[in-house]
Amino acid sequence: SAVISQKPSRDICQRGTSLTIQCQVDSQVTMMFWYRQQPGQSLTLIATANQGSEATYESGFVIDKFPISRPNLTFSTLTVSNMSPEDSSIYLCSVEVGTFPLWGYTFGSGTRLTVV
Amino acid sequence: AQSVSQHNHHVILSEAASLELGCNYSYGGTVNLFWYVQYPGQHLQLLLKYFSGDPLVKGIKGFEAEFIKSKFSFNLRKPSVQWSDTAEYFCAVNAENAGNMLTFGGGTRLMVKP
Repeated sequence: SAVISQKPSRDICQRGTSLTIQCQVDSQVTMMFWYRQQPGQSLTLIATANQGSEATYESGFVIDKFPISRPNLTFSTLTVSNMSPEDSSIYLCSVEVGTFPLWGYTFGSGTRLTVV
Repeated sequence: AQSVSQHNHHVILSEAASLELGCNYSYGGTVNLFWYVQYPGQHLQLLLKYFSGDPLVKGIKGFEAEFIKSKFSFNLRKPSVQWSDTAEYFCAVNAENAGNMLTFGGGTRLMVKP
């Protein structure tokens, strides 16, 4: 399965600023996913990113707040813009890997963001 | 849209006790089902998955899960837990013909007392 390197692993940011999170995969993948895990809660999908097309955002998430880039088949970035304390969460990228019966999803180690 | 429910938010067990964590989903079509574990400070790891075939699937570390289609359930079990099983457990569903994403349940935080 793919190995994902996600950076930074954690950051403390001032409100009103932006943070860009990087996700690098060691193999080419078609679909990449960005999730948010708020404190004490489960994972919520932010958006799906395919190379060469605009990301598809889930209800409650907008491109102006969470712009995503997907320049090639191994890399993606998620920016958390104009941050507020409510954005304090763990952000994870995930990729779909393999074909049946080895198909599944791999997750990055996450970026723990604290907004002060 | 599909949803996933995990009934137990917090579970505390003693070592050697048996474990069953409930997971129910709402989607009438074909589903692919997953259980992930997140140990403290670590990233998500796949415990097991079900696509088709034998509804009783075995995963890593002695875990197993049973898919009961009529109950829309995919409960996780382990006959005898260890202190090292202390973690958060997430059930997730991929609904075929509804996109490639995973929908996660709310998670169950398991604490095993030595």
